[in-house]
Amino acid sequence: EAQVTQNPRYLITVTGKKLTVTCSQNMNHEYMSWYRQDPGLGLRQIYYSMNVEVTDKGDVPEGYKVSRKEKRNFPLILESPSPNQTSLYFCASSFVSGSYVYTQYFGPGTRLTVL
Amino acid sequence: RKEVEQDPGPFNVPEGATVAFNCTYSNSASQSFFWYRQDCRKEPKLLMSVYSSGNEDGRFTAQLNRASQYISLLIRDSKLSDSATYLCVVNIPNTIKAAGNKLTFGGGTRVLVKP
Repeated sequence: EAQVTQNPRYLITVTGKKLTVTCSQNMNHEYMSWYRQDPGLGLRQIYYSMNVEVTDKGDVPEGYKVSRKEKRNFPLILESPSPNQTSLYFCASSFVSGSYVYTQYFGPGTRLTVL
Repeated sequence: RKEVEQDPGPFNVPEGATVAFNCTYSNSASQSFFWYRQDCRKEPKLLMSVYSSGNEDGRFTAQLNRASQYISLLIRDSKLSDSATYLCVVNIPNTIKAAGNKLTFGGGTRVLVKP
């Protein structure tokens, strides 16, 4: 089954404790992206990756890191989480051709609470 | 001005009625356009891609107006199950780098279909 998986689905942590949210897709997509969704602010792009070893900042990259060492995986790293990073996070992937991004498939989301 | 704007609603729609709403975008270089549906706290799912000629999928019709820089979604014969938030997504080319894509989401339009 074609899918995007995220882990963990729910996480409660404390300020400053490094964490990683994993994202994996089995569709051989070149493009992967992370979003956060907050009430009243909608979905905002954190980072995206056009392909292996090619990543770029989205609209709200501060406090986050990513890596793309393999095509299927795109982990999101919070080196020192803070309460303002409490949010619902989505990973997504898609095929891309030149600058045209095709349909994005989303993971189920990770609900993160930073105390 | 936001790059992608939507009326947040909610649009309260009687079952069986027709509802339509727009999404405006500010960057005339925007390329691909999509409508996604999101149920409460779930991942967004593709509803339709939006093509220059407009497209229809059952009770749903999407239109693109490049001159006025907006896309629209029309839902005919509304069902209770159409209650959701509808997200407009615009692919804005990254003009700074040779390759890159910025996918920007609108804030979403909430539709409530009532018996």
